[in-house]
Amino acid sequence: GAVVSQHPSWVICKSGTSVKIECRSLDFQATTMFWYRQFPKQSLMLMATSNEGSKATYEQGVEKDKFLINHASLTLSTLTVTSAHPEDSSFYICSANPGGADTEAFFGQGTRLTVV
Amino acid sequence: GENVEQHPSTLSVQEGDSAVIKCTYSDSASNYFPWYKQELGKRPQLIIDIRSNVGEKKDQRIAVTLNKTAKHFSLHITETQPEDSAVYFCAATQGSARQLTFGSGTQLTVLP
Repeated sequence: GAVVSQHPSWVICKSGTSVKIECRSLDFQATTMFWYRQFPKQSLMLMATSNEGSKATYEQGVEKDKFLINHASLTLSTLTVTSAHPEDSSFYICSANPGGADTEAFFGQGTRLTVV
Repeated sequence: GENVEQHPSTLSVQEGDSAVIKCTYSDSASNYFPWYKQELGKRPQLIIDIRSNVGEKKDQRIAVTLNKTAKHFSLHITETQPEDSAVYFCAATQGSARQLTFGSGTQLTVLP
């Protein structure tokens, strides 16, 4: 199957600093990628849709100035958590669908962010 | 937007018994319904999926049924094994969109 790679797998940062998370499609081109957030014992919630060459689409309640998304190439999307606070601590995970609509989504490994 | 509800939130079964998890969705335009298994700290793994033009799909011990009229779909696991213990999520996508709306998850525990 297709491979989506996410880096780093975990990161600890100080409150007020920024953290960048990378999501790469290794064996296919992804014009669209998705970013989800998962708090402990909860479901995955879509944060935003990352579009290659254009602005990301954010879900209601997600601050676009806090969660910066850049999709500069067909194989890389980045999520930057700016001015991180402890409440941003969560599991962030990206996905892409190489086959297009109504096909299997492939997930990155996820990034465990801890803000101290 | 789409809303997916999942029940039960926790499910314990004896090894060898069957487990059933149910989901309902709100958007009649949804046409793709995957089920994921997620172990702690890991990415979700697709275990089975079904499209809206099919009523049932089976893969060894796992089956999914879809009732488009009632807008609900179910996961059936037979002959459960301890390694089936995990959190299971249903999801739905609508039309040409590819983003997933997930159910709230079911913690399945298979007791040896």
